Amino acid sequence: GAVVSQHPSRVICKSGTSVKIECRSLDFQATTMFWYRQFPKQSLMLMATSNEGSKATYEQGVEKDKFLINHASLTLSTLTVTSAHPEDSSFYICSAKIDRADTQYFGPGTRLTVL
Amino acid sequence: QKEVEQDPGPLSVPEGAIVSLNCTYSNSAFQYFMWYRQYSRKGPELLMYTYSSGNKEDGRFTAQVDKSSKYISLFIRDSQPSDSATYLCAMSYTGTASKLTFGTGTRLQVTL
Repeated sequence: GAVVSQHPSRVICKSGTSVKIECRSLDFQATTMFWYRQFPKQSLMLMATSNEGSKATYEQGVEKDKFLINHASLTLSTLTVTSAHPEDSSFYICSAKIDRADTQYFGPGTRLTVL
Repeated sequence: QKEVEQDPGPLSVPEGAIVSLNCTYSNSAFQYFMWYRQYSRKGPELLMYTYSSGNKEDGRFTAQVDKSSKYISLFIRDSQPSDSATYLCAMSYTGTASKLTFGTGTRLQVTL
């Protein structure tokens, strides 16, 4: 149990386009999901906290208009990178918190490459 | 200065060796200390967590936290090739399901 999936696992896009990444909790409900980003040889950095039915909370320095987060259901959160540029190329990982438990489970990540 | 420092390795040890992985941190407000294991192309999975200072043991794994020195360790006894992975330390103020601050991860290779 407690599986989190991400789609796609890898995406290559042209500069200026938008990319949507999905994060799903497959066998549990998750009111709260987290989005992290990891640049090469750097640590996972929290970008935002996504709450079902409400606006996401963004970490300092993360542009909310560039990284759109939608948590429309208890099992799905999406991250849209708008007008992507090469500097947005990174590894994006989501995690989902099991409701009423102090546990979060991570997805396998999405490798984004912007040409 | 990064909030959490971790040697990225790689660390290569023979099978059966004792492995020591470490992190230092600067923010004394951290209360929860976690170790995650990440295999290639997979998400991190929680190995162990400790609240405040002290030791915790789970099978071949022992986690230690020294808040006075802002230093945490993970020991792996009788290391196996299946332990080869990247190990990430993480910390939070309020729990394992809260905002986490990660180290860069240490890549471990256990050889036959």
